[in-house]
Amino acid sequence: EDQVTQSPEALRLQEGESSSLNCSYTVSGLRGLFWYRQDPGKGPEFLFTLYSAGEEKEKERLKATLTKKESFLHITAPKPEDSATYLCAVQARGAQKLVFGQGTRLTINP
Amino acid sequence: KAGVTQTPRYLIKTRGQQVTLSCSPISGHRSVSWYQQTPGQGLQFLFEYFSETQRNKGNFPGRFSGRQFSNSRSEMNVSTLELGDSALYLCASSSATGVETQYFGPGTRLLVL
Repeated sequence: EDQVTQSPEALRLQEGESSSLNCSYTVSGLRGLFWYRQDPGKGPEFLFTLYSAGEEKEKERLKATLTKKESFLHITAPKPEDSATYLCAVQARGAQKLVFGQGTRLTINP
Repeated sequence: KAGVTQTPRYLIKTRGQQVTLSCSPISGHRSVSWYQQTPGQGLQFLFEYFSETQRNKGNFPGRFSGRQFSNSRSEMNVSTLELGDSALYLCASSSATGVETQYFGPGTRLLVL
């Protein structure tokens, strides 16, 4: 069964303090790994799609990387507006559904 | 391009009632997926529709059903509501032509009393 585990569950940082969020996965043939950001009371907002090990993508202060067993979301010099829950999801080959992790709740203090 | 829209945004029902939620995908997107989000279980896949046909189904009871219309708009229905059905119901659309990103709507918050 496809499975995604995210750590830590919650992370509190000071503004400007860089860190990384982890997403470990097991999937029967990876079609794609997705990162989303979710603010309270809203739907997930798409950030990145990664397709194969070694791939990296960047957007502003965020950088996502992928290995054969895990993905990292690196946050560089975060700002309070980066506070949100970050969700990781995998899609298996031949499947349409996304399997989500429980998310990491990130809080950036000014 | 307009995003995924869902109506209503909030809903309060009582046990035993039924409810219908609506989703309009991004223009040009033909695949619509539905997810249930709860604090305990996180985001779980309900089902996916493409060209008016259900292609994939998650592990939910038959009380949960859906359909898709020729304009790709989709509805999901939950019959005989239970307290445990209280959740945020999210709709996501994609063009479904390969490894395509699913874009989510704002969700419908359902509270069952």
